[in-house]
Amino acid sequence: SQTIHQWPATLVQPVGSPLSLECTVEGTSNPNLYWYRQAAGRGLQLLFYSVGIGQISSEVPQNLSASRPQDRQFILSSKKLLLSDSGFYLCAWSVPSATQETQYFGPGTRLLVL
Amino acid sequence: GNSVTQMEGPVTLSEEAFLTINCTYTATGYPSLFWYVQYPGEGLQLLLKATKADDKGSNKGFEATYRKETTSFHLEKGSVQVSDSAVYFCALSNFGNEKLTFGTGTRLTIIP
Repeated sequence: SQTIHQWPATLVQPVGSPLSLECTVEGTSNPNLYWYRQAAGRGLQLLFYSVGIGQISSEVPQNLSASRPQDRQFILSSKKLLLSDSGFYLCAWSVPSATQETQYFGPGTRLLVL
Repeated sequence: GNSVTQMEGPVTLSEEAFLTINCTYTATGYPSLFWYVQYPGEGLQLLLKATKADDKGSNKGFEATYRKETTSFHLEKGSVQVSDSAVYFCALSNFGNEKLTFGTGTRLTIIP
């Protein structure tokens, strides 16, 4: 069966510090991968998605970047965190197909920037 | 473009009450429709889905019917439990599009 892991689970970082959040998927090949942010009390915002190694699409201009160095690894990064980067970050995967895809979410990383 | 509109929360109900969370959508073509649930402190879990008009998705006592004529996918449960307390998200995806469009979420609290 497929599983998705995210770490760390919780992170507290000072403003201006770098960030690296990792997401890995097991039990599937060539997944589509996604990064979402959920600000406190708000809905989900799609940040990045990837359909293959090295292929990243950015949905909104921001202080963050994403990379996919391996087929089942998706990394969210920042060189200098802002207060507004605080939130709950969710990684998701889906199986690419000709029909609409269900996305499966990881447990999330809660980031607090102080 | 695609959009999903959910009823605003929070919604508070007593245990065993009937639940409806409204969801309407705007999309071209024939999207698939989803309900996801987020329990406190956790990621999202797929609750149910429907891929064509008049399909009914169901899971854990929850149901939603894909109504193309009213562009709706309302979530219902006949008798809610305290363990149903969570945030519920309605979402859609369109053919050939890798992305989901989410509603803003509805927070549901069930009191004993």
